[in-house]
Amino acid sequence: NAGVTQTPKFQVLKTGQSMTLQCAQDMNHEYMSWYRQDPGMGLRLIHYSVGAGITDQGEVPNGYNVSRSTTEDFPLRLLSAAPSQTSVYFCASSYSQSEKLFFGSGTQLSVL
Amino acid sequence: GQSLEQPSEVTAVEGAIVQINCTYQTSGFYGLSWYQQHDGGAPTFLSYNALDGLEETGRFSSFLSRSDSYGYLLLQELQMKDSASYFCVVDSSYKLIFGSGTRLLVRP
Repeated sequence: NAGVTQTPKFQVLKTGQSMTLQCAQDMNHEYMSWYRQDPGMGLRLIHYSVGAGITDQGEVPNGYNVSRSTTEDFPLRLLSAAPSQTSVYFCASSYSQSEKLFFGSGTQLSVL
Repeated sequence: GQSLEQPSEVTAVEGAIVQINCTYQTSGFYGLSWYQQHDGGAPTFLSYNALDGLEETGRFSSFLSRSDSYGYLLLQELQMKDSASYFCVVDSSYKLIFGSGTRLLVRP
C-alpha cells in the first residue's frame, strides 16, 4: 500500500515549456486534489475531482489543466510554464472531502 | 469569497499548553479541519469538526463554534517535536480551503 505517489520530486522548466505532474493513489479514494504552496504560505487549491470523469476548479486554476480518467490517477498539466508557477505542488486524496486528506510528498518546481 | 484568519506565529515552552485560533468566512460550510506540517514535509491530518463542540485526540483537541465562525486547536504537554506549522482548513462544498498557517515554535 503506497498511499499517494507524486512524481517527479524535483523539476526545472524554462518559461513556455509544458509538463505533467503525476499523482497516483492506491487507496480507492474518490476525492483527489492539487495544491500549490509558496514559501511561508498556506496551500492554495488548484483543481479537484470528486470521482473519475469529474473535475472542477479550485482557487487558482489558471495555467493548469487536470483530467481524471481513472480513480487512481489525477495528473496536473502545466500548459505553458511561467516563473509565477514556481512553487511546491502537493497532490492529496481522501474518501470524501470531509475525510482526512492523504498527501503525496510534493514536487518542487522551478520555472526559469 | 472565502477567508481564513489565524495567527502567523506562536511561541511556547515545552510542557505548556497553546491555543491556535481560526476565524473563517466562507460561502458554504461543512466542517473545519486542522493539519500539521513540518518544514520540508507534507501536511498531515490532525482533526475534523463538523459539529459544534470539542473533539479530543490525545494531546490535541479541536473546537468549533459554527455560529461564531470560529475554531481553535489546543495542544497540551507541548513537546519539541510539535514545532511545526498548523493550518486550519475549511470544508466548503467540495473545496478544502487552507488558512495561511500558524508557525509554532516550542522552546526548551
